[in-house]
Amino acid sequence: AQSVTQLDSQVPVFEEAPVELRCNYSSSVSVYLFWYVQYPNQGLQLLLKYLSGSTLVKGINGFEAEFNKSQTSFHLRKPSVHISDTAEYFCAVSESFYNQGGKLIFGQGTELSVKP
Amino acid sequence: DTAVSQTPKYLVTQMGNDKSIKCEQNLGHDTMYWYKQDSKKFLKIMFSYNNKELIINETVPNRFSPKSPDKAHLNLHINSLELGDSAVYFCASSQENEKGYVNYGYTFGSGTRLTVV
Repeated sequence: AQSVTQLDSQVPVFEEAPVELRCNYSSSVSVYLFWYVQYPNQGLQLLLKYLSGSTLVKGINGFEAEFNKSQTSFHLRKPSVHISDTAEYFCAVSESFYNQGGKLIFGQGTELSVKP
Repeated sequence: DTAVSQTPKYLVTQMGNDKSIKCEQNLGHDTMYWYKQDSKKFLKIMFSYNNKELIINETVPNRFSPKSPDKAHLNLHINSLELGDSAVYFCASSQENEKGYVNYGYTFGSGTRLTVV
């Protein structure tokens, strides 16, 4: 079975500083990878996804992530964060049940806290 | 225009009661899910339905029963509510590719915060 580990439960950072949220996955087959953001008291919103092709994936709100197959990682980065980026971030991997409906396996979440 | 809508948004009820949460999606997706998010924000899948057929049933107490009258609706009924059922419940929908992978991700509802007192 696939699994996802987010290495930091909390990441405090000052406004306009760069940030990296780390995600590692375990899988013996090809995977699809995702990052979601959850703002306070809201549902989850897709930030970006990796399906195939270029290992650098750009998403919404200035975020990007790099797929590294040898290190089984999919870290999320932003060069300059804003107060409004304060939220919970989830990494996820797609698992397939072949014609029986797939599902996403989520990491434990990383709380990004941007301070002025 | 909401893609995945859940009702109610908040639900406060007493132990032992029975309650339902409704979910509807207008995206034409084949698969719908229920996830539970606990107080530590951990997301755990409970059920998934594909074209009204139950596909995934994780280790969930029998008090939880999903019902899918059609592929656009997936409701969650909970009997004999317990304090430990307090959580945020998310409905989601997706469309798998030909290999069964969720390659476009999920679309989530805004969640139902259930508080059992």
